[in-house]
Amino acid sequence: QLVESGGDLVQPGGSLRLSCAASGFTFSSYEMNWVRQAPGKGLEWVSYIDTTGINIYYADSVKGRFSISRDNAKNSLYLQMNSLRAEDTALYYCARVLVRGALDIWGQGTMVTVSS
Amino acid sequence: DIQMTQSPSSLSASVGDRVTITCRASQTISTYLNWYQQKPGKAPKFLIYAASSLQSGVPSRFSGSGSGTDFTLTISSLQPEDFATYYCQQSYSTPITFGQGTRLEIK
Repeated sequence: QLVESGGDLVQPGGSLRLSCAASGFTFSSYEMNWVRQAPGKGLEWVSYIDTTGINIYYADSVKGRFSISRDNAKNSLYLQMNSLRAEDTALYYCARVLVRGALDIWGQGTMVTVSS
Repeated sequence: DIQMTQSPSSLSASVGDRVTITCRASQTISTYLNWYQQKPGKAPKFLIYAASSLQSGVPSRFSGSGSGTDFTLTISSLQPEDFATYYCQQSYSTPITFGQGTRLEIK
């Protein structure tokens, strides 16, 4: 399973670090993603990281502000979020890649609210 | 970026009905198309990958088809627990993109 944490209320321009703890599978063998969902809206992909942490991609909306990383020894995925904006307000999910980019396991999400 | 367009955006149906949701990609994505179900307050649930492969544990009343740019998700006989929002997702190229969702409601 995947369990996210770290969501909070933060002021515009602030920073936050999200964590995703994996258990029940060999974390180091799976590519991972962050996906977010603004209140009442659809799903938006945020970032991807491969098994080694070498290949990383970001949505244009967060490029230069967010940083994805992983610690395979700790079975954990992270999302460092800087220069937060109101439009970053969302429920953030971590999700495992099964095959061909399909996301087979999702966490329960952690809420990030950016507001003054 | 590849745009994914679902139709309809919302749909009313009854238990036992056969329902089809369509997903169209703005460019060809082969069969790099996945489907998810989301209920209110819950994380998305993975249903189908590679356009037509049913994830383990997903009821056989769910099926997917298509390739290239046009795809469908079909529920052969709606059950009460199927009323939810459904999303398609392309994984052909980065950025991964989702359809806007189809809300399936009880008639």
